[in-house]
Amino acid sequence: GENVEQHPSTLSVQEGDSAVIKCTYSDSASNYFPWYKQELGKGPQLIIDIRSNVGEKKDQRIAVTLNKTAKHFSLHITETQPEDSAVYFCAATETSYDKVIFGPGTSLSVIP
Amino acid sequence: DTGVSQNPRHKITKRGQNVTFRCDPISEHNRLYWYRQTLGQGPEFLTYFQNEAQLEKSRLLSDRFSAERPKGSFSTLEIQRTEQGDSAMYLCASSRTVAGDSPLHFGNGTRLTVT
Repeated sequence: GENVEQHPSTLSVQEGDSAVIKCTYSDSASNYFPWYKQELGKGPQLIIDIRSNVGEKKDQRIAVTLNKTAKHFSLHITETQPEDSAVYFCAATETSYDKVIFGPGTSLSVIP
Repeated sequence: DTGVSQNPRHKITKRGQNVTFRCDPISEHNRLYWYRQTLGQGPEFLTYFQNEAQLEKSRLLSDRFSAERPKGSFSTLEIQRTEQGDSAMYLCASSRTVAGDSPLHFGNGTRLTVT
């Protein structure tokens, strides 16, 4: 079955700097890669996703890149703000599957 | 879109007791998922429903766990004879179609503490 790894487990950046979170997956059949943000006391919320027919996707300050050959995908947050502080999860699945597999998470702290 | 609702938000129970959690998905979503999340970990898949049919159960779901989704609307997750290892956040999510094709919408979870 699918296995998703995520690094780093914790990340601390100064406000305004960029943050990068990297993930790897094991199942070459996976072709849908969502990213979730979880704030304290809340459930995860989708922030961006990418499908395998696209190498990069951007939404304002957030971008995701995908390297299918290497089975790597990354989240990039530019111009970080204190409200970006949260736990971020990468995930992977195959289009026809219902089981989304999550990475262990990255706790991001943005220091004002 | 009123979001996914989970009740209760917190549950403290003694070891050996039974507990039941409820999840109300987004109304037009036919898929409903249960995940478990322990401190410092990502959500782990437990089971999911397409309408009222339970289609897959994880190995994590021992025979003390049972989930139902009568009439394809709300769902309940029951844990019998709770153990301290059951302490976790139980998350419910729903999606309009298969999860690989439409995003999961999560509720805010039920935090279970077994003493």
